[in-house]
Amino acid sequence: EADIYQTPRYLVIGTGKKITLECSQTMGHDKMYWYQQDPGMELHLIHYSYGVNSTEKGDLSSESTVSRIRTEHFPLTLESARPSHTSQYLCASSGIGADIQYFGAGTRLSVL
Amino acid sequence: GENVEQHPSTLSVQEGDSAVIKCTYSDSASNYFPWYKQELGKRPQLIIDIRSNVGEKKDQRIAVTLNKTAKHFSLHITETQPEDSAVYFCAASISSNTGKLIFGQGTTLQVKP
Repeated sequence: EADIYQTPRYLVIGTGKKITLECSQTMGHDKMYWYQQDPGMELHLIHYSYGVNSTEKGDLSSESTVSRIRTEHFPLTLESARPSHTSQYLCASSGIGADIQYFGAGTRLSVL
Repeated sequence: GENVEQHPSTLSVQEGDSAVIKCTYSDSASNYFPWYKQELGKRPQLIIDIRSNVGEKKDQRIAVTLNKTAKHFSLHITETQPEDSAVYFCAASISSNTGKLIFGQGTTLQVKP
């Protein structure tokens, strides 16, 4: 089934750890996005990609990094997690020439 | 850059009443305006969208209106039901090439039985 898959769904880690949040889509979409969202609050764009080997920073400054080596895969990495990174991270994608974004189920990150 | 303001931040209505959520945008080049619904603990899901060449669009109990001159658009939900309770987000997009959306701050809608 065409969808956007995020793993893990929940993650609790200690300060200073390196983590990678995974996002894969089977929608055949070229564009992918990462948002940071506190529960029920505004969605902040932190990274996006138009296609393979293209990544851009979003509107919200983030200490995370992303890569886009394969069309379907857009992982987000935090080199050294801090309590301020505690939030939900949502991955989304949209198709060629289209603006409709479809979201994954999200990863809830808690940094102790 | 584009900025989207959404009001109100919370809205409480009785079941069966109508609910209206309003958004304004700053960039007159914006041409695509989606609305997303996010239930508690779930992912945002598109419920309706409108493009700048249309003034109104309706889908059953949900409608969206767009006033390009005033740069605002609104979501209208009629005959509200408890399952309409959720956070609603408006958004605006300038380019389908980037697909980049700028979201509003969200409105928490509570429908009381």
